[in-house]
Amino acid sequence: DAGVTQSPTHLIKTRGQHVTLRCSPISGHKSVSWYQQVLGQGPQFIFQYYEKEERGRGNFPDRFSARQFPNYSSELNVNALLLGDSALYLCASSYPQGTTEAFFGQGTRLTVV
Amino acid sequence: RKEVEQDPGPFNVPEGATVAFNCTYSNSASQSFFWYRQDCRKEPKLLMSVYSSGNEDGRFTAQLNRASQYISLLIRDSKLSDSATYLCVVTSPPSGGSYIPTFGRGTSLIVHP
Repeated sequence: DAGVTQSPTHLIKTRGQHVTLRCSPISGHKSVSWYQQVLGQGPQFIFQYYEKEERGRGNFPDRFSARQFPNYSSELNVNALLLGDSALYLCASSYPQGTTEAFFGQGTRLTVV
Repeated sequence: RKEVEQDPGPFNVPEGATVAFNCTYSNSASQSFFWYRQDCRKEPKLLMSVYSSGNEDGRFTAQLNRASQYISLLIRDSKLSDSATYLCVVTSPPSGGSYIPTFGRGTSLIVHP
């Protein structure tokens, strides 16, 4: 069985640009969460989606948005990129949501220059 | 006070040593607890769930103390391959319908020959 897959694996963007990150959960998992991890810190929660609805939002600015599709895959969008947005962006899927263990994708490493 | 706190370390121990990590959490209503392992530049992977009765998996033992609001991870007979960052994860009751896992910043373990 395929695990959580994320694309792209690496990305370099310029300040002010927009980026879209993608995630496909494990088959049968309906909950997808997004995290940002900067060097030396634990993952910080950004969003959680369950059954295509936003179920949780972390303390991130409105430049960050996400959505979940009917096939439960998800996109994370970040507008007006800042240097401080450089991080590893992790997607995790779980079933049903939150209380069971989450399975992470390999992440997208975003560098903003 | 942070929701989940861990000593970042690093813990530098010789092979064969026993090492223990603690993690404290602030929300007394937290429901689920996990330890994740993260290798350098990789995604976090579930090491073990933590139950009130305590649980053991080979050389690893996890304990939960609800009264004092901390969880612990004990690693016996450390191996070189145990070198990694260990992340404490606590899941809190629904907020807006969603259980949100909160990560600690991680504790770095270095096992040397």
